[in-house]
Order: sequence, then structure tokens, then C-alpha cells
Amino acid sequence: GAGVSQSPSNKVTEKGKDVELRCDPISGHTALYWYRQRLGQGLEFLIYFQGNSAPDKSGLPSDRFSAERTGESVSTLTIQRTQQEDSAVYLCASSLLIWTADTQYFGPGTRLTVL
Amino acid sequence: GDSVTQMEGPVTLSEEAFLTINCTYTATGYPSLFWYVQYPGEGLQLLLKATKADDKGSNKGFEATYRKETTSFHLEKGSVQVSDSAVYFCALRITGGTSYGKLTFGQGTILTVHP
Repeated sequence: GAGVSQSPSNKVTEKGKDVELRCDPISGHTALYWYRQRLGQGLEFLIYFQGNSAPDKSGLPSDRFSAERTGESVSTLTIQRTQQEDSAVYLCASSLLIWTADTQYFGPGTRLTVL
Repeated sequence: GDSVTQMEGPVTLSEEAFLTINCTYTATGYPSLFWYVQYPGEGLQLLLKATKADDKGSNKGFEATYRKETTSFHLEKGSVQVSDSAVYFCALRITGGTSYGKLTFGQGTILTVHP
């Protein structure tokens, strides 16, 4: 595709439910990143993938959060037993390479609301 | 840890006014520096970047110079337009170690330009 795509664009869920967020990176991009933007705050790094390996999981807020990536393609971010503080816009980005100052291209985000 | 501090907004200007948005950083390594912009209803996109000290990034009339001595990367534009109304994010990326994939963002500065 032309850019990074994410689905769903909006998700409303009840506290305690599990959610899955999907990211399709730009074709050929080896690196993929997940960020979170809570209301009135800056972007917060969650995790990145080089291929399907995740060298840095330090940004995941708790063990309720997990992510996986299939090859150099789709990634899913899963939040188990959602809490109200998980409400945020979840952004995915991809870049061609990771060991340079390569531009990260961002998707439109998934707005998650936990009731 | 690494951090980015941006000038607090919102910033409101008249068309053709001069714009400065201050950005300072702290970093454990040698960062690359970025300005991202988020226009209303759109995704985050790279505005400009600089990868080493004294480099100047520029795009769409915006400029920012990487100042290592003052750990700053202030964004400037000589004459803003209504279409520049957006949220601007300063960010850094360390090129080294296991965390070199992630961008560390400032809080964002909302810019509104009136005709």
C-alpha cells in the first residue's frame, strides 16, 4: 500500500475485555514501531520490531500488553483485560531500516476507548 | 533517561507572523533530532530532521538547527500561514544500543494561525 494502515480506526470496549489492534506497514519496511498517545500527552514508545524480532519491549506498560509481527509484515498489539487508563490513540509506524536515522512513517492510529 | 521538552502551547499567531517553538533535549547518547507535525484530521508526518551537530533541517519554509552546545532544536518559520495550524512535536532518536529504534517525543505544541 501507499502508507501505513491501521485497523480498526476506532474501538470502544468494556473494561476487562481483550482488544487486538492491527498494523500494516509500508511494503518492504523492515522496522515497525508502536506508540501510544494519551489525551493531552506526547507520544509514548511501546515496542519496536526488526523483522519479526522485538529487541526492545521496555515501553510496554504492563504484562497485559503484548505484540507480535509476522515476518516483515503485519503486526498486532494485544491488550488483555483492558483498563480505563488504556484509553488512548495507538499509533504504528514503519521505516525502511532501523540502524540509521531513517524516517518513521506513521499510520492514522487506532483510537481506543475503554468504558 | 532521554527526554524532550517543548515550549508549552497553545501558540496563537496572525498570518505572516514569525514563529519559534522551543525544543530542548537530554540524551545519554548522540541523538538525531526531528520535528513531526500533525495536521487536523491527519496522521503524524515528518517535517524535518538533523542528524549531527550544526546541521540545519528545513522543509516547507520551516527550519531547525541542531545545537549541541545548548542541547536545542528550535523550530522557526519566518512567515506562517493559516495552513500551518497543527500540532508540532519535537523528537529525538538515539542511534546505538538496544533502544535505538524508538523516538522520544516532546509533549507537542498546538499552533493556531489566524487570517
